[in-house]
Amino acid sequence: EADIYQTPRYLVIGTGKKITLECSQTMGHDKMYWYQQDPGMELHLIHYSYGVNSTEKGDLSSESTVSRIRTEHFPLTLESARPSHTSQYLCASSEPMTGSGNTIYFGEGSWLTVV
Amino acid sequence: GESVGLHLPTLSVQEGDNSIINCAYSNSASDYFIWYKQESGKGPQFIIDIRSNMDKRQGQRVTVLLNKTVKHLSLQIAATQPGDSAVYFCAELKGGYSTLTFGKGTMLLVSP
Repeated sequence: EADIYQTPRYLVIGTGKKITLECSQTMGHDKMYWYQQDPGMELHLIHYSYGVNSTEKGDLSSESTVSRIRTEHFPLTLESARPSHTSQYLCASSEPMTGSGNTIYFGEGSWLTVV
Repeated sequence: GESVGLHLPTLSVQEGDNSIINCAYSNSASDYFIWYKQESGKGPQFIIDIRSNMDKRQGQRVTVLLNKTVKHLSLQIAATQPGDSAVYFCAELKGGYSTLTFGKGTMLLVSP
């Protein structure tokens, strides 16, 4: 069982609102990720971080932003939510990739609905 | 473009049968592959992984086969149980990169 936690699990907010999705892991992992997943579809990487003060854009362009001030915490923020942002957001973490492969552990996900 | 995809969107089996879920990948530079299981409303869970220098790897009731010649990956589940019902994703890691690319999932439905 992975020790990675996301809050809120479910959220319905109005258009134009600012929202922050929280993600914390207690495994001491340096690398953290945010994936976006629509129902029944594949996961798309939107942000990742190598460690504190590191943030990188993923394969899928996203209007969200992330920060990494502490190793265990990797919040994702939408400054002005729109209905197109409705999706599931999955946070994950792993040890630094050493070339031998490392498991990525996922949180339970945050379901965001923008109305 | 490069992609990781699955052949079948849904697989229905009877309890006790063996299940085989397939995955095709197109990037020959990928050197590490993982199978994840995602139950409804939950995040993906690691099942089993395999490196590109291997053809087969076995876990508890699961086996992953890698055919690099045809760029094909499969997950075999022995004696499938209702608790195995979920969406299964394959994911690839390219050498020198540190992020996983996921394919489209296959939903496995197990009937009692």
